[in-house]
Amino acid sequence: GQNIDQPTEMTATEGAIVQINCTYQTSGFNGLFWYQQHAGEAPTFLSYNVLDGLEEKGRFSSFLSRSKGYSYLLLKELQMKDSASYLCAGEGLAGGGNKLTFGTGTQLKVEL
Amino acid sequence: DTGVSQDPRHKITKRGQNVTFRCDPISEHNRLYWYRQTLGQGPEFLTYFQNEAQLEKSRLLSDRFSAERPKGSFSTLEIQRTEQGDSAMYLCASSSTDTEAFFGQGTRLTVV
Repeated sequence: GQNIDQPTEMTATEGAIVQINCTYQTSGFNGLFWYQQHAGEAPTFLSYNVLDGLEEKGRFSSFLSRSKGYSYLLLKELQMKDSASYLCAGEGLAGGGNKLTFGTGTQLKVEL
Repeated sequence: DTGVSQDPRHKITKRGQNVTFRCDPISEHNRLYWYRQTLGQGPEFLTYFQNEAQLEKSRLLSDRFSAERPKGSFSTLEIQRTEQGDSAMYLCASSSTDTEAFFGQGTRLTVV
């Protein structure tokens, strides 16, 4: 939906670092999720940010700035299996309560 | 397997027919969501249950769509008089107050 904006495609090299940005309209915002989705599979949870700052979880980190309506997902030491769609989702946007509003997803391609 | 399960995984139907999908959430989760996803897009919210109560329904959802969760456990999504534009992946997700949403593998609907 129009409440969430993220790039549609990115390409990166195996072993490198990539940052996927997401911006959102802040009205009613509760928290920000990142999901990974491989083709033909269900989205799987990566991270949840509700407070400003960086949350690190292994090779993946997620950052949130509530005042700027901005988040990013940072993937380090990229592997071929990281090729997938990365979905940014806001909770509570536009008066949405507990439901998630997703962006279009960023299709990441990891190359040799 | 204690994840979210959906049935069927694939459904091909002729335009004008009715279809019904089932979702079995994770047993201790009281919240259940239905989303629709088309190729290259993020999941789009359809409806949300807390226990057996349907608390929210997307304004984009036509009256051909109906969902139930009669006992607060499994849920069904019915589409009446299907149209080609209904072709999509229908995703179910469940959560509790303290957890993120877990998604099922989805039901892929093709209307011919």
